[in-house]
Amino acid sequence: EAGVAQSPRYKIIEKRQSVAFWCNPISGHATLYWYQQILGQGPKLLIQFQNNGVVDDSQLPKDRFSAERLKGVDSTLKIQPAKLEDSAVYLCASSLDSNTEAFFGQGTRLTVV
Amino acid sequence: AQSVTQLDSQVPVFEEAPVELRCNYSSSVSVYLFWYVQYPNQGLQLLLKYLSGSTLVKGINGFEAEFNKSQTSFHLRKPSVHISDTAEYFCAVSDRTGGFKTIFGAGTRLFVKA
Repeated sequence: EAGVAQSPRYKIIEKRQSVAFWCNPISGHATLYWYQQILGQGPKLLIQFQNNGVVDDSQLPKDRFSAERLKGVDSTLKIQPAKLEDSAVYLCASSLDSNTEAFFGQGTRLTVV
Repeated sequence: AQSVTQLDSQVPVFEEAPVELRCNYSSSVSVYLFWYVQYPNQGLQLLLKYLSGSTLVKGINGFEAEFNKSQTSFHLRKPSVHISDTAEYFCAVSDRTGGFKTIFGAGTRLFVKA
């Protein structure tokens, strides 16, 4: 079974630029999560989708971060404009539904300089 | 709201020695508990989980953890570690009533020395 796919694996941008990350969840998984993992910390949930609807985005900095999951499959996470403190690994995860365990992708490492 | 505290940021240990990585959680409701492992430049891999039933949970790679409700702990153990176990380990908790939103601890870096 194919796992959660994320791209790109690495991205370096200058502050104030914009960036987008892509996630393809495991086939059939209705729930999709985006996490931010800052170096030395555990992952922090940014947003949770159930199909194409947002379930929880309370931790998403909405002034600069946005995410969508059109058609309830793939998802993109965008940062515009980026700040130095956005440097982190962005992890995507998916689960069959909101009451089963999540499977994680390898993440996208973002460096903002 | 839940929270997770991993009591050790780093644990150095010699190969073939036993190891325990400590995790305490707080929650006002019943929870599910997890341990994940993260190898360098990799995503998170589930080691084991406690959903219900037996409080002693066995996972992959010879790891096990014991759920202690009275002490709100979920410590991870392995009787004999290998060099290949060197990685970051994360304890996590999910609220049983609010979907599977998972809160992670800050992580414990296990460093196995030859």
